[in-house]
Amino acid sequence: GAGVSQSPRYKVAKRGQDVALRCDPISGHVSLFWYQQALGQGPEFLTYFQNEAQLDKSGLPSDRFFAERPEGSVSTLKIQRTQQEDSAVYLCATSQGINQPQHFGDGTRLSIL
Amino acid sequence: QQQVKQSPQSLIVQKGGISIINCAYENTAFDYFPWYQQFPGKGPALLIAIRPDVSEKKEGRFTISFNKSAKQFSLHIMDSQPGDSATYFCAASNNNNDMRFGAGTRLTVKP
Repeated sequence: GAGVSQSPRYKVAKRGQDVALRCDPISGHVSLFWYQQALGQGPEFLTYFQNEAQLDKSGLPSDRFFAERPEGSVSTLKIQRTQQEDSAVYLCATSQGINQPQHFGDGTRLSIL
Repeated sequence: QQQVKQSPQSLIVQKGGISIINCAYENTAFDYFPWYQQFPGKGPALLIAIRPDVSEKKEGRFTISFNKSAKQFSLHIMDSQPGDSATYFCAASNNNNDMRFGAGTRLTVKP
């Protein structure tokens, strides 16, 4: 597609449930990033992939957060046993490679009740 | 650990005026400094970016000024328009990975 596509756009889950958020990158973009954006704040880095390799996961807030990109294209961010503090917009960005601009999707707004 | 500090938090400018947003960073390893514009319900969109080997970059009405010794950079929006009303984020990174964002500036341009 023309841009980064994220699904679902909105997700409501009960505390304790597991959720999975999907990111479809721009075709040919080898680098993929996940960010968490709390209301009224800037995006915060979570993790980074170069093709299928997860090169940096230092921003993942706990071991309940897990990301994968098994074939170097679509990526999934999974959150297990969700907590209310996980409520945020989760943004995916992709780029053609090192030193190339990051292009963002419109995010998934996650609400934990 | 806020590595990029942005000010002001909000800004109101009259149509035709100049909007100025400032950012400061700590990590001298940062070598890429983009500015993003975000509208409600949308993802951030890259506006303009600069590397530390130049002190200024201009694209249309948008200019980045960069002061390497002070570890500061700013965005100037000339001839501000109501359509520029959005939230603006500065960011900094090393090799455009692990991007650190400022907290954002909500700009309102009054007609």
